[in-house]
Amino acid sequence: NAGVTQTPKFRVLKTGQSMTLLCAQDMNHEYMYWYRQDPGMGLRLIHYSVGEGTTAKGEVPDGYNVSRLKKQNFLLGLESAAPSQTSVYFCASRPTGLETQYFGPGTRLLVL
Amino acid sequence: AQTVTQSQPEMSVQEAETVTLSCTYDTSESDYYLFWYKQPPSRQMILVIRQEAYKQQNATENRFSVNFQKAAKSFSLKISDSQLGDAAMYFCALTRKLIWGLGTSLAVNP
Repeated sequence: NAGVTQTPKFRVLKTGQSMTLLCAQDMNHEYMYWYRQDPGMGLRLIHYSVGEGTTAKGEVPDGYNVSRLKKQNFLLGLESAAPSQTSVYFCASRPTGLETQYFGPGTRLLVL
Repeated sequence: AQTVTQSQPEMSVQEAETVTLSCTYDTSESDYYLFWYKQPPSRQMILVIRQEAYKQQNATENRFSVNFQKAAKSFSLKISDSQLGDAAMYFCALTRKLIWGLGTSLAVNP
C-alpha cells in the first residue's frame, strides 16, 4: 500500500513549456485534491475531484487544468508555464465520509 | 468566507517542556472539522490531530491535545513533553476544502 504518490518529485521548466503532474492513490479514495504551497503561505487549493470523471475549481485554478479519467489518478496540467507557477505542489486524497486528507510527498516545480 | 489565522509565525520550546500553538478561524458552517498538520523539513504533510465541531470533548493524540473553544472560534494545539522530532511547521486547517493558516514554525531546543 503506497498511499499517495506524486510524479515527478522535481522538475525545471522554461516559461511557456507545458507539463503534467501525476498523482496516484491506491486507497480507493473518492476525493482527490491538488494544492500549491508558496513561501509564507499555507496550502491553496487549485482543483479538486469528488469522483472519477469529475473535477471542480478551487481557490487558485487559473493556468491549470486537471483530469480524473481513472479513480486512482488525478492529473494536473500546466499548458504554458509561468514563473508565478514556481511552487511546491501537493496532491491529497480522502475517502467518502472521512474528512482527513492523506497527502503525497509533493512535487517541486521551478519555472525559469 | 472561511478563514484561518495563526498569529504566531515562529515559536520555540525547550525539549521536554510544553508549548501551545494558537489558531483562530471563521466559518458560517455549523458542521465542520478542524485539523492540525505537521510539515517537517522533508515537506511531507502529516496529520497531527483532528476535531469535529459537534464534539465538545477536546481531541487528544498521545502528547498532542487541542483546546477547542467553539464560541470563540479558537483551536489551539498543545504539545507536551516536546521532543526534537517535533520541530516543524504546524498548520491549522478548516473543514472539507481545507482552508489553511499560514503556519507556525516550531523550534525545539535541546
